[in-house]
Amino acid sequence: SQTIHQWPATLVQPVGSPLSLECTVEGTSNPNLYWYRQAAGRGLQLLFYSVGIGQISSEVPQNLSASRPQDRQFILSSKKLLLSDSGFYLCAWRSTGSNQPQHFGDGTRLSIL
Amino acid sequence: AQSVTQLDSHVSVSEGTPVLLRCNYSSSYSPSLFWYVQHPNKGLQLLLKYTSAATLVKGINGFEAEFKKSETSFHLTKPSAHMSDAAEYFCVVSEGTYKYIFGTGTRLKVLA
Repeated sequence: SQTIHQWPATLVQPVGSPLSLECTVEGTSNPNLYWYRQAAGRGLQLLFYSVGIGQISSEVPQNLSASRPQDRQFILSSKKLLLSDSGFYLCAWRSTGSNQPQHFGDGTRLSIL
Repeated sequence: AQSVTQLDSHVSVSEGTPVLLRCNYSSSYSPSLFWYVQHPNKGLQLLLKYTSAATLVKGINGFEAEFKKSETSFHLTKPSAHMSDAAEYFCVVSEGTYKYIFGTGTRLKVLA
């Protein structure tokens, strides 16, 4: 069966520090991969998605970036965190093809001080 | 353009009573529709999906939803609420592309 792993579960970082969140998927190949941010009490905002290695699409201009160095690995990064980057970050995958559901990791709670 | 509206931001029910969480969608094509549940500080778990097969969809944990094209609705129901159902629920629409449109969520409270 397929599984998705996100780490770390929680992270506290100072303003201006760098960020690296990692997500890996097991049990499938060539998944579509996603990064979302969920602000407190709000819905999900799509940040990035990827349909293949090295292929990243950005949905929202910001100081975050994403990379997909391997088929089942998706990394969210920042060179300098802002206070507004606080939130709950979720990675998700789906199989290729139409009408497939997304499957989510357990998320990373990021607090910026 | 696609959109999803969850009509209630909060719903409270007593344990053992029915649950109804309402969702309306707008889509230019035949949509795929999903319901997810999110417990605190957890990711979203897929409850059920509609992808143009049967209009009544059964999901996990006793939940089901009915796709009504004429009403552009996809309401989530459960005959009898359990304390463990207390969580946030998201209705999601997709038109078969990579993008998913999420509702703003309905927080379900279950009273003992």
